[in-house]
Amino acid sequence: ELKVEQNPLFLSMQEGKNYTIYCNYSTTSDRLYWYRQDPGKSLESLFVLLSNGAVKQEGRLMASLDTKARLSTLHITAAVHDLSATYFCAVDLWGGSQGNLIFGKGTKLSVKP
Amino acid sequence: EPEVTQTPSHQVTQMGQEVILRCVPISNHLYFYWYRQILGQKVEFLVSFYNNEISEKSEIFDDQFSVERPDGSNFTLKIRSTKLEDSAMYFCASSREGLAGLSTDTQYFGPGTRLTVL
Repeated sequence: ELKVEQNPLFLSMQEGKNYTIYCNYSTTSDRLYWYRQDPGKSLESLFVLLSNGAVKQEGRLMASLDTKARLSTLHITAAVHDLSATYFCAVDLWGGSQGNLIFGKGTKLSVKP
Repeated sequence: EPEVTQTPSHQVTQMGQEVILRCVPISNHLYFYWYRQILGQKVEFLVSFYNNEISEKSEIFDDQFSVERPDGSNFTLKIRSTKLEDSAMYFCASSREGLAGLSTDTQYFGPGTRLTVL
């Protein structure tokens, strides 16, 4: 059974600080996704990471993928309140054949002034 | 920007009743998905659909569930006899490509339908 584990599950940060969210997965999938969800809203795609060593950056968020370690990280730089949301990582169950995503439990990020 | 739409936004039903949740995927997308999210929990895969047939389904997607693409635009999820534990947010998603190989595509999610079973 594919497992996707995120930590921490809850993260309270001060504005301006840096932090990293970790996503471990148990299979050899080489495709990993990060999504953001605001309360009561849908999921917004942030990053698609396709290969070992992939690094993508968008604003204050940077995601990386280490397929050998089965680990992805989402690094937050100089956090601002607008980044408060729940962040999910997800991995293909079937190794990309149909894109049936298995999600982690999510990390609820709260950025305080 | 094209987006996935879902109706209704909120559906309240009595246990044992049938419900149909509707989705309009992005128009040039070929792969369709349903997920659910029980309040405060993680998002769970239900089913994927391509070329007018189910590609994959999870253990959650039992005989009470069915999907259909009745015309060129709609994609529906039917729950035949709802149970209390079916209460959740149901998300439809679509992608243009199958997410394999070097595809950089991702799944685009709709706003969800909150299903409440009483």
